[in-house]
Amino acid sequence: DQQVKQNSPSLSVQEGRISILNCDYTNSMFDYFLWYKKYPAEGPTFLISISSIKDKNEDGRFTVFLNKSAKHLSLHIVPSQPGDSAVYFCAASDEGGYQKVTFGTGTKLQVIP
Amino acid sequence: EAGVAQSPRYKIIEKRQSVAFWCNPISGHATLYWYQQILGQGPKLLIQFQNNGVVDDSQLPKDRFSAERLKGVDSTLKIQPAKLEDSAVYLCASSFRRRGESAYFGPGTRLTVT
Repeated sequence: DQQVKQNSPSLSVQEGRISILNCDYTNSMFDYFLWYKKYPAEGPTFLISISSIKDKNEDGRFTVFLNKSAKHLSLHIVPSQPGDSAVYFCAASDEGGYQKVTFGTGTKLQVIP
Repeated sequence: EAGVAQSPRYKIIEKRQSVAFWCNPISGHATLYWYQQILGQGPKLLIQFQNNGVVDDSQLPKDRFSAERLKGVDSTLKIQPAKLEDSAVYLCASSFRRRGESAYFGPGTRLTVT
């Protein structure tokens, strides 16, 4: 039962353009959403998060949008840079006492110079 | 600030053998996680510790996997006996607060079971 889904396994974008990574979830109890970035042979690193009480959170070139009614969130990277090439994981946690985090399957982003 | 340390980085064993992984979290982080990441999938939580107590091990195959966190600091994850399907990267993470926002991951241990 995949509660967090990233339906695009890969994405290629030209340098300077916008990258849009999508994520869908099924568990309505999720109230906190995160994006992690992972380079080869390294562990994931936290990128940006959003609470369910908001619909947008921005941090520099990275913006996350949340549509609760559609159970959908997206990560926008503007402008995209070659160093952004990595695997991006969407993750979500619920209201449980210790906020267990559930990850999606990841989207591999390639930014072409 | 030192990151999450894990060892070994790579391990190759035969099925039915045993293996152990070690994790040293960031100093002061009360929460420690072990994740399993199979190729092409996202990390799956195996076990979560708060200090030295287990708060979630619902997805840990307890017939073969075990984990402990001594004195609320270092942790070891053991597999005995290993199966072919255990081939994966085992990631350790730690956080100061409960939410995943501040979770820091180690580089992982890549396990190959032949």
